Amino acid sequence: SAVISQKPSRDICQRGTSLTIQCQVDSQVTMMFWYRQQPGQSLTLIATANQGSEATYESGFVIDKFPISRPNLTFSTLTVSNMSPEDSSIYLCRARGEVVNEQFFGPGTRLTVL
Amino acid sequence: QQQVKQSPQSLIVQKGGISIINCAYENTAFDYFPWYQQFPGKGPALLIAIRPDVSEKKEGRFTISFNKSAKQFSLHIMDSQPGDSATYFCAATITGFQKLVFGTGTRLLVSP
Repeated sequence: SAVISQKPSRDICQRGTSLTIQCQVDSQVTMMFWYRQQPGQSLTLIATANQGSEATYESGFVIDKFPISRPNLTFSTLTVSNMSPEDSSIYLCRARGEVVNEQFFGPGTRLTVL
Repeated sequence: QQQVKQSPQSLIVQKGGISIINCAYENTAFDYFPWYQQFPGKGPALLIAIRPDVSEKKEGRFTISFNKSAKQFSLHIMDSQPGDSATYFCAATITGFQKLVFGTGTRLLVSP
């Protein structure tokens, strides 16, 4: 199974600033995704990170707020821009392998915006 | 149609008891149903999964029961242990389609 790491694991940020979260997979994967999980809530898909092209965003999420990069098959970044306290959440990276049962999550990044 | 409804929201079970979590879906195109276990401060981890061509799948103390006609599936944790205390998410997807649709989660507490 793939091992996924995320950096930072947690951060406390000031309103109006931006934070970039990194997701690194130890093997090549076909798909990478970014999720948001607010305390005690389910997982909400932000976008699919496409290698070498623009990410595909879900309804309610826009590129200006959550720019995403995926320069290769093992790495992706999510930036949370112009943060507000409403952005306080856990941000999770998910990777999918060649077959559907290869689904792995990173440990998450806990973001607090003051 | 893309929703997966999960219940209960929270569950308290005594050690040694059976924990049962239920999920229901609408989209009959879904053909892969995983369950995830999430401990505080960790990402969700795949626990067990089932396809609709079988009615039951068992792995150790964890069993998925699947009712295709009712569009329901459930997770049974036999001989529940305090170490099973976590949040459990059901999910559904279509093979070849990339997105997982998650249930709302069930917080399980197994009392010693």
